[in-house]
Amino acid sequence: AQSVSQHNHHVILSEAASLELGCNYSYGGTVNLFWYVQYPGQHLQLLLKYFSGDPLVKGIKGFEAEFIKSKFSFNLRKPSVQWSDTAEYFCAVNGYNFNKFYFGSGTKLNVKP
Amino acid sequence: DGGITQSPKYLFRKEGQNVTLSCEQNLNHDAMYWYRQDPGQGLRLIYYSQIVNDFQKGDIAEGYSVSREKKESFPLTVTSAQKNPTAFYLCASSLDAGGPYNEQFFGPGTRLTVL
Repeated sequence: AQSVSQHNHHVILSEAASLELGCNYSYGGTVNLFWYVQYPGQHLQLLLKYFSGDPLVKGIKGFEAEFIKSKFSFNLRKPSVQWSDTAEYFCAVNGYNFNKFYFGSGTKLNVKP
Repeated sequence: DGGITQSPKYLFRKEGQNVTLSCEQNLNHDAMYWYRQDPGQGLRLIYYSQIVNDFQKGDIAEGYSVSREKKESFPLTVTSAQKNPTAFYLCASSLDAGGPYNEQFFGPGTRLTVL
């Protein structure tokens, strides 16, 4: 079965610090990659996605992610976090040859004001 | 206003009772999904459906059942056989279940508590 690993379970940062959240997946074929965010009390929403083309993807709220195929990674980055970025972040993968989406276990980000 | 609706937002159930969670979408998506979210475990797939009148078990289907009689509706029944049903349940949909340019859209979720 496919799997998605998020190695950082809980990250605490001060405002203006830089953020990088790791995501690795196990599938060797062509993939679609996603980062979702769940703000406290709100439902999951899409932060950014990679389907094809430029491996550096820009999303909403200043987030970006880089797809490195050789490393099976899709790390999420933001140069300067804000208190409002406090949320849980999920990485997900969907492949052309399987009909499911696989999610990582999530990373809780707390940004201290 | 297109999207996915789930009802109710909060649900309480006594042990031994079956309960059905509603999920409706008006996005004209073929595929629909049910996930369970528990702290520290991410989203785990319960059931998914690629097309009307067809559905497949996900990774944790035991104690759950679904139906897909209409394209826009995918209700989930949590049966008394589910040993640990207290959780947050998320419904999602996507244009189809595989292939390129596919992304999932999520509903607001239902929090089920078994008393």
